[in-house]
Order: sequence, then structure tokens, then C-alpha cells
Amino acid sequence: SAVISQKPSRDICQRGTSLTIQCQVDSQVTMMFWYRQQPGQSLTLIATANQGSEATYESGFVIDKFPISRPNLTFSTLTVSNMSPEDSSIYLCSVERVNYGYTFGSGTRLTVV
Amino acid sequence: AQTVTQSQPEMSVQEAETVTLSCTYDTSESDYYLFWYKQPPSRQMILVIRQEAYKQQNATENRFSVNFQKAAKSFSLKISDSQLGDAAMYFCAYRSVNTGTASKLTFGTGTRLQVTL
Repeated sequence: SAVISQKPSRDICQRGTSLTIQCQVDSQVTMMFWYRQQPGQSLTLIATANQGSEATYESGFVIDKFPISRPNLTFSTLTVSNMSPEDSSIYLCSVERVNYGYTFGSGTRLTVV
Repeated sequence: AQTVTQSQPEMSVQEAETVTLSCTYDTSESDYYLFWYKQPPSRQMILVIRQEAYKQQNATENRFSVNFQKAAKSFSLKISDSQLGDAAMYFCAYRSVNTGTASKLTFGTGTRLQVTL
């Protein structure tokens, strides 16, 4: 299955600032997925990132708040903009490989103070 | 839209015993995939088992097996000979086969499994 390197693993940020999370995959994939996991909750899909096109956002998530880049088939970034304490969550990237299923990054634990 | 329900927020099992985690889902589709993922405190999501809806045979992976009841829209996970390392959050997830929905996963709310000595 694919190996995903996600960083940073954790960060503590001041409200009003932005944080960019990176995911690097060890092989080319068409789509990458970004999830949010609020404390004690399940995973909620933020957006799907295709290379060469704008990301597709789920209801309740907007590009201004969570801009995503996908410059090539092995890399993507998610930025959490103008952060507030409500953005404190674990953020995970994921890819799907045919016949292997989904692989997830190790997650970024974000705390906004 | 599809929904996934896990009605057991927490479960406990003694080491070496068997435990079953419940999952139900709602869909109008006839073909789809179902998954169980494990999330230990390290927060790494680990695939436990996968089931294709068109397959009648229940999937098994070593000590993990599922009871897939398509008509009832039920997908339970059985863990046999439970080990301390099985302690984690378990999530049931659904994936449509319809590529128009961008193959995203829809997760249940999770069941926290404790394993006791």
C-alpha cells in the first residue's frame, strides 16, 4: 500500500494565524483526500484534491478557510486559515490505491490558543 | 446520502475473549465497499478489513472477521482471541462504487474498545 508522510505531526498556533499541512505520497495517485477529526469525534471529509484542478469541498467547508494545493501527483497541502480555537482538531490526508484500499497519513494534531 | 451508524460508543473485552462491534448503514446503492479501520492512540488509521458488497462471502483477516448482512444493511466486526494491542477506536466506513461521488469514505462515529487482563 502507499506510504504517506504528513507533517507537521503537531503544532500549537495563535488564533488568527494560518498553518499549512503537507502530505507526500511515495507513488503517484489521482485523488487525495483531506479529513478533519475533532476531539473525540469521527472523521469528516473536508475536500478532495485532484491534480490539475481545483479541489472539491464538502458542505460546510470553503476554499477561503481551507485552501488546498495539488501541484503534482504525489504531493498536496492543506492550509487552515485565520484559525480559531474551534479549528483545534486532527487533520489527516488519505489516498486510495486500486486493490489496496485507503491509506492515511499519521495526522496533524492542531491546537489553537 | 449515505450514513453509517455505530451504536456502541464503548465496548470492553477480556484478553483472549471474543467481541463483536456493530455497524449499520443506509444507502440506496446496490454496489459499494465497507471497511473497518482501527485508530490507536498514535492516531494512525489502520485498515482492519474490507468487504465488497457484491461478495456474499464474509471477509476474514486472521483474528478479524465480519458478518455482512446486505439486506439488513449491517456490517459487524468480530475480533477473536482479543489482545491488548487491539485496544483502539474502531471506525466503520462506507465507500460508494459510483465514481461520481469521488470515492470518498463516509465514517461512523466510532466504538472505543478496551481490552482488559
